[in-house]
Amino acid sequence: EVQLVESGGGVVQPGGSLRLSCAASGFTFDDYAMHWVRQAPGKGLEWVSLISGDGGSTYYADSVKGRFTISRDNSKNSLYLQMNSLRTEDTALYYCAKDECGDCIGGMDVWGQGTTVTVSS
Amino acid sequence: QSALTQPASVSGSPGQSITISCTGTSSDVGGYNYVSWYQQHPGKAPKLMIYEVSNRPSGVPDRFSGSKSGNTASLTISGLQAEDEADYYCSSYTSSSTVVFGGGTKLTVL
Repeated sequence: EVQLVESGGGVVQPGGSLRLSCAASGFTFDDYAMHWVRQAPGKGLEWVSLISGDGGSTYYADSVKGRFTISRDNSKNSLYLQMNSLRTEDTALYYCAKDECGDCIGGMDVWGQGTTVTVSS
Repeated sequence: QSALTQPASVSGSPGQSITISCTGTSSDVGGYNYVSWYQQHPGKAPKLMIYEVSNRPSGVPDRFSGSKSGNTASLTISGLQAEDEADYYCSSYTSSSTVVFGGGTKLTVL
């Protein structure tokens, strides 16, 4: 079964840091780009970041550029999001998602259940 | 990275057809055939319904179809069913090698 399981969310003060993880199973992990997408309470989806299958290319939304770092360990079938200098507006449910396209950026065909990040003093 | 523009809400009766639009620019929707549509029920993770403008993943009913003209993509749901009531989001690859979502559309089945 193809599955993504996020972990690492929690409550953190503004200016703090958090590292999210996403464990993948059921597919050849390094064949696909991976994304982080977030959803603030009661709001829509916001794309956060993506990383290519080999980890050599990374891209970020302007709202997190310079503060968040996406990475992956293909030997562990794992995706990560290091979040620094957190702001209250980063409060959201964070999803990891698999891209359906092997050598392009298409749609996200597999999603985890999400992990909640709350930034509050 | 401005969000794609979707109507906030649409509605239809069971059996009817509805269309949700998604308007971007030549730097995203109009420039690439990498438009996707997602369905999200309350408290659930999004589900891919359409990818690469008009392709349906395995298991998605053929009542769901996608198209694109210029800078606007569209999702059409025919033969509306009660279980189609959900939020729908479009997304597109962009010229900056990023992804942008639409603001979302709430579909109500009357």
